[in-house]
Amino acid sequence: EAQVTQNPRYLITVTGKKLTVTCSQNMNHEYMSWYRQDPGLGLRQIYYSMNVEVTDKGDVPEGYKVSRKEKRNFPLILESPSPNQTSLYFCASSLRTSGHNEQFFGPGTRLTVL
Amino acid sequence: GENVEQHPSTLSVQEGDSAVIKCTYSDSASNYFPWYKQELGKGPQLIIDIRSNVGEKKDQRIAVTLNKTAKHFSLHITETQPEDSAVYFCAAAQIYNQGGKLIFGQGTELSVKP
Repeated sequence: EAQVTQNPRYLITVTGKKLTVTCSQNMNHEYMSWYRQDPGLGLRQIYYSMNVEVTDKGDVPEGYKVSRKEKRNFPLILESPSPNQTSLYFCASSLRTSGHNEQFFGPGTRLTVL
Repeated sequence: GENVEQHPSTLSVQEGDSAVIKCTYSDSASNYFPWYKQELGKGPQLIIDIRSNVGEKKDQRIAVTLNKTAKHFSLHITETQPEDSAVYFCAAAQIYNQGGKLIFGQGTELSVKP
């Protein structure tokens, strides 16, 4: 089944404890992206990747890191999480980096930073 | 940069009635306008999209209209059913620039009462 998977789905952590949220897609998509969803703010892009070893900042990149060492994986790293990073996170992928491309979203990771 | 405003934030209708959600965008260079539906506990899923060279697009009970001059677009759902209850997001993008980056509206929580 074609899908985007994220792990973990739920995470409660404490300030300053490094964490990684994994994202994987099995559709051979070039483009991958991370969003955070907050009430009243919609989805805001954190980082995106147009292909292996190519990543760039989105609209809210502060406090996050990403890597794209393989085409299928795009982990989101929080080196020192803070309470303002408590949010619902979505990974998404699309076939190509330009043109009319549907973005496929993962199921989400709900993160709470105490 | 692009800014997308979405209204209303919540919408409650009776089953069988129509629902309309409206979005405005700021960047006249945007030329691709998708709508995503997010069911409870899931990631957003594309339901319909429209390009700027088309004024209206329909798919069964859902339709999207676009007014490029006024820079606004709308989602119309007719004969609503309880399974239409979800959060709906509009978005805007430039297909061939910025990696097809999506700028999302704030979301509309639609509730269809039986």
